[in-house]
Amino acid sequence: EVKLVESGGDLVQPGGSLRLSCAASGFGFSDYAMNWVRQAPGKGLEWVCGLSNSGGSTHYADSVRGRFTISRDNSKNTLYLQMSSLRAEDTALYFCAKDEGGIAARMFDYWGQGALVTVSS
Amino acid sequence: SFVLTQPPSVSVAPGKTASITCGGYAAGTKGVHWYQQKPGQAPVVVIFYDSDRPSGIPERFSGSRSGNTATLTISRVEPGDEADYHCQVWDSSSDHAVFGGGTKLTVL
Repeated sequence: EVKLVESGGDLVQPGGSLRLSCAASGFGFSDYAMNWVRQAPGKGLEWVCGLSNSGGSTHYADSVRGRFTISRDNSKNTLYLQMSSLRAEDTALYFCAKDEGGIAARMFDYWGQGALVTVSS
Repeated sequence: SFVLTQPPSVSVAPGKTASITCGGYAAGTKGVHWYQQKPGQAPVVVIFYDSDRPSGIPERFSGSRSGNTATLTISRVEPGDEADYHCQVWDSSSDHAVFGGGTKLTVL
């Protein structure tokens, strides 16, 4: 059974930093691209960033480029999202989402339950 | 980048057919995917690459595409189908995923 479990969500002040983790199990983690997708309260889904299966290719939404960094540790079956210079508009539930293949941003066949990030003073 | 447009809401009586549209993607887009999201839950893919259905998704869910508009059709709608539905494509020009704004399906 595929499982994706996010952790690290918290309340953080504007301008602060936070790191989310996503522990994966039930599939060959190193064979698949991974993504982060967020959902602000009462809003739709927004793709944030994606990372190829090898970690060699990354892509970011314009809204987070230069502030967020996606990475993975295939030896630990874990995906990360390092967030810095956080803004109020980054407040959202952050989902970890597995891609269908080795290249990111194609189709998300499994999702975690999300980690809540609140940016507020 | 482009914007995917969905109707904010669709209402349907139980047993009837619901259709949710998604438009605005580029002509060469390789496939439209649909996700169902019930309150407090993570999204679940119900249709991928326009019309393929994952195992475990009822046959009542189907997808189609004509030109630059994709349609998710739910036949014989049940109360349990009440959810938000999101369409998504891959933008090959930017290597980004793009989501529509989501459609709230209400079963009357």
